[in-house]
Amino acid sequence: AQSVTQPDIHITVSEGASLELRCNYSYGATPYLFWYVQSPGQGLQLLLKYFSGDTLVQGIKGFEAEFKRSQSSFNLRKPSVHWSDAAEYFCAVGANNAGNMLTFGGGTRLMVKP
Amino acid sequence: NAGVTQTPKFQVLKTGQSMTLQCAQDMNHEYMSWYRQDPGMGLRLIHYSVGAGITDQGEVPNGYNVSRSTTEDFPLRLLSAAPSQTSVYFCASSPGGGQPQHFGDGTRLSIL
Repeated sequence: AQSVTQPDIHITVSEGASLELRCNYSYGATPYLFWYVQSPGQGLQLLLKYFSGDTLVQGIKGFEAEFKRSQSSFNLRKPSVHWSDAAEYFCAVGANNAGNMLTFGGGTRLMVKP
Repeated sequence: NAGVTQTPKFQVLKTGQSMTLQCAQDMNHEYMSWYRQDPGMGLRLIHYSVGAGITDQGEVPNGYNVSRSTTEDFPLRLLSAAPSQTSVYFCASSPGGGQPQHFGDGTRLSIL
């Protein structure tokens, strides 16, 4: 069965600092990987996705993620964090089969210090 | 273009009551899903559908029922509400396998 681990429950960074959110997955084949962001009281917005090809994926709002098969990781990065990036971030792995089921990590809550 | 619309946004129920959470999408997506979100556990799949008339169970289906009579609608029924079903429920849709899912804004459900 597929699984996703986000080791950091909370992360606090200063505005303007760089950010890396960790994600490790377990899946038997080449996975479909996603990062979503959730602001308080809102639904989930897709930041970026990896299906195949280039292992460095660019997303919206200046985020990028790198797929590393050897480490089973898909870490999210941003070079300079803005106060508006404070939110909860979810990594998810999708199965390329009927149902398009997503398995989510537990989430990382990002706080940004002024 | 409304996307995925969930109603109601908030609901309080008593133990043993039943209710239906509504989900509608206007993107003509074949795939639709229901997730529940609990603190520290991310989102967990309850039921999903790959097209009208086809549904299947996800990771946590007990106590919930779904049907898919049209492409647009995918209601989630709580048969006999229990306090353990207090959660935030999200409906999602996607065009097909492997494609990103579009999420509604959620229904916050409390069961007393």
